[in-house]
Amino acid sequence: DADVTQTPRNRITKTGKRIMLECSQTKGHDRMYWYRQDPGLGLRLIYYSFDVKDINKGEISDGYSVSRQAQAKFSLSLESAIPNQTALYFCATSDSTGSETQYFGPGTRLLVL
Amino acid sequence: RKEVEQDPGPFNVPEGATVAFNCTYSNSASQSFFWYRQDCRKEPKLLMSVYSSGNEDGRFTAQLNRASQYISLLIRDSKLSDSATYLCVVNDPSTGRRALTFGSGTRLQVQP
Repeated sequence: DADVTQTPRNRITKTGKRIMLECSQTKGHDRMYWYRQDPGLGLRLIYYSFDVKDINKGEISDGYSVSRQAQAKFSLSLESAIPNQTALYFCATSDSTGSETQYFGPGTRLLVL
Repeated sequence: RKEVEQDPGPFNVPEGATVAFNCTYSNSASQSFFWYRQDCRKEPKLLMSVYSSGNEDGRFTAQLNRASQYISLLIRDSKLSDSATYLCVVNDPSTGRRALTFGSGTRLQVQP
């Protein structure tokens, strides 16, 4: 079984809709991250969390919100989706007691029409 | 200026060739450096960390030049399975070393 899972894997939605992307991990890591990837722009950090009570904005947090429901779960919400939020979204985890290596989920492809 | 810059490629090389990728980073306070590999439509995975003294893992060699803020990855005896995008990654000092900044990647296509 995968250590970092994301649901849904693919999603098509309409402008103005609220959607939630979910991430779960079984690695026991305390740190979790949400990124988006666009062609030619690489991975950009949206939000990150170093424990359940710690949430931080990343480079491109506008239009997004997150919730760290438990150490193993970190969800990303688009309150009112817009077409330029069409992208590939990745969740990642890392361990504060180990190296800074991040482990990624398989990604969610989101299309906003 | 991007914080981490890479030549996007693509680099098209024959099997068995040696190929090198370069990366520059803008923040001299960065302390941790990595190369990740990303296959098409898949998640990034750690290829190797980059240490000050340089390090090697099989056919892969990584080098760091702090003075020039430059990182390199050398792949010897390229295999078809090496075809992927290679991401240069450095830590973001503004987050207390706890978040990473990713380059946009260099695409490698190894041809038979």
